[in-house]
Amino acid sequence: GNSVTQMEGPVTLSEEAFLTINCTYTATGYPSLFWYVQYPGEGLQLLLKATKADDKGSNKGFEATYRKETTSFHLEKGSVQVSDSAVYFCALINGVAGSARQLTFGSGTQLTVLP
Amino acid sequence: GAVVSQHPSRVICKSGTSVKIECRSLDFQATTMFWYRQFPKKSLMLMATSNEGSKATYEQGVEKDKFLINHASLTLSTLTVTSAHPEDSSFYICSAINNEQFFGPGTRLTVL
Repeated sequence: GNSVTQMEGPVTLSEEAFLTINCTYTATGYPSLFWYVQYPGEGLQLLLKATKADDKGSNKGFEATYRKETTSFHLEKGSVQVSDSAVYFCALINGVAGSARQLTFGSGTQLTVLP
Repeated sequence: GAVVSQHPSRVICKSGTSVKIECRSLDFQATTMFWYRQFPKKSLMLMATSNEGSKATYEQGVEKDKFLINHASLTLSTLTVTSAHPEDSSFYICSAINNEQFFGPGTRLTVL
């Protein structure tokens, strides 16, 4: 089956620090990979995605590269801001027909950025 | 981009009552919507897949008689929590497909 494993939080950083949130996956077929962000009291927003091996998704200074050889999709940002404080979810959609639209989520990582 | 709304954003009810949560796709039609439940500091748990014009598909362990789902139109799916109990208190999130999944802002249900 499909599964996503994220590094456990919470993660607390100072403003302008470098961020890495690890994510590895297990899936049959050729999954698409996603990072979603959830701000306090809100639903999920798509942050970035990558649909095939070696693709790099990027948005708002965040990046993640689809590494098929290590089955990973680690999220990085070079300089975090207080406004980046949120919960980050790694997720995948398996490309196998019949389940292509069903997202499998990791457990989420709480990030707190201090001024 | 595609917008999904949920109503209400938060609701408090007494134990034993039923609560209806609406999920709407505002600027696109969605034949498929998903309902998730999120526990505090936990990931999202898929409850069911809502299919327009047909019965919902429930995940293992989700009581279909307790969590009634109706997807009567291409822009609206409803989740009704019947005979709510305190353990049903949670954050319920819906999503709709428009090439990718777009999520609603969530509904905070508190059962007293």
